[in-house]
Amino acid sequence: DAGITQSPRHKVTETGTPVTLRCHQTENHRYMYWYRQDPGHGLRLIHYSYGVKDTDKGEVSDGYSVSRSKTEDFLLTLESATSSQTSVYFCASYPGQGGEQYFGPGTRLTVT
Amino acid sequence: GENVEQHPSTLSVQEGDSAVIKCTYSDSASNYFPWYKQELGKGPQLIIDIRSNVGEKKDQRIAVTLNKTAKHFSLHITETQPEDSAVYFCAASIVNYKLSFGAGTTVTVRA
Repeated sequence: DAGITQSPRHKVTETGTPVTLRCHQTENHRYMYWYRQDPGHGLRLIHYSYGVKDTDKGEVSDGYSVSRSKTEDFLLTLESATSSQTSVYFCASYPGQGGEQYFGPGTRLTVT
Repeated sequence: GENVEQHPSTLSVQEGDSAVIKCTYSDSASNYFPWYKQELGKGPQLIIDIRSNVGEKKDQRIAVTLNKTAKHFSLHITETQPEDSAVYFCAASIVNYKLSFGAGTTVTVRA
């Protein structure tokens, strides 16, 4: 699993509150990703990073922001959580040049 | 962007039988097609992949085939075992660092 950890693993929060999810990798991979997984939709890309301080939007980026100040850490922030953001969030990393994407264990977020 | 469709959404097979999952993609420029297996409560894990210059690839009981003309690719699992029960995702990529995933197939192997 390329040494990817996510924290927290479970979180329940109220609508309108800010939430930050953390992803940490120990493999010095260049690329990092945040996906959300919902029934019937598979894995959808929220944001990704191709280097420190270099990020780009995915297909479902509205309501989310990210930051990457160090190679090993990639943060996902929900500025004001909504019930539609209840989901399982997966972080992934990719070394580049033909390797594979490695996924973390996931964070289950419930917005009430 | 790339659009990947995956069928069926659920698949139940008898232990020892074969399972086949099919995916189609929209962008003819896609050149990398991985398959991921997700066990309950875990993150997806790569089980096999194929690139556009290859038509078929095998790894023990699993195989993937690619038809570039028709823009579809398939995962074949032979001699299914209980541990094959999981959710399987196909994906396609124009550039290696950005994958588009199918909606997933829940495979149940009946003992």
